[in-house]
Amino acid sequence: QSALTQPRSVSGSPGQSVTISCTGTSSDVGGYNYVSWYQQHPGKAPKLMIYDVSKRPSGVPDRFSGSKSGNTASLTISGLQAEDEADYYCCSYAGSYTLLFGGGTKLTVL
Amino acid sequence: QVQLQESGPGLVTPSQTLSLTCTVSGGSISSGGYFWSWIRQHPGKGLEWIGYIYYSGSTYHNPSLKSRVTISVDTSKNQFSLKLSSVTAADTAVYYCASLYYYDSSGYLHWYFDLWGRGTLVTVSS
Repeated sequence: QSALTQPRSVSGSPGQSVTISCTGTSSDVGGYNYVSWYQQHPGKAPKLMIYDVSKRPSGVPDRFSGSKSGNTASLTISGLQAEDEADYYCCSYAGSYTLLFGGGTKLTVL
Repeated sequence: QVQLQESGPGLVTPSQTLSLTCTVSGGSISSGGYFWSWIRQHPGKGLEWIGYIYYSGSTYHNPSLKSRVTISVDTSKNQFSLKLSSVTAADTAVYYCASLYYYDSSGYLHWYFDLWGRGTLVTVSS
């Protein structure tokens, strides 16, 4: 099993929108609607931001949204704020009770 | 509110066994719908799923680590544990425990980590 593919870094200015992609295969991202996204600030534990491809947990701003097309899932953050600067990881169920993480994307708010 | 807390030695000698425990507070580890999980993060790197256990004792591991990993649960103490044998410097990482939401009361499946511990750094060095 290989890690899901994410861009190493993305950036945007406050107020803009950015999209982070997460590419897998038909055996993971494309095969199941069980993609989740996590935000991690330096020195902190990851925090759930999106689950089941596009659902937001209580307390997560609606600026965060998720989607999926084929073997690629995406996390979009609109109205960027300074506090959104963090690392973001996708995760997908990959069958047979296994999970795969993406390599992570560093979001820089310019 | 459910919280998870990792505990264990921060330094392990090469070739020995890494042992960590996660204590669950504010909720029962025996409540259905959750797998109790271990995830690690090498310094400056991404997340790696290690494995998880159901309260009944069923376990599932990352195939890349399976032969060295043992995960167990103690429902009487509301804890679950990780043992990683024959460690090397490559096992130096922050180790997190987390709850993996597996299915809800309606029987719908999910697969996401809803709560995480703060993590504990384990260094493998002589």
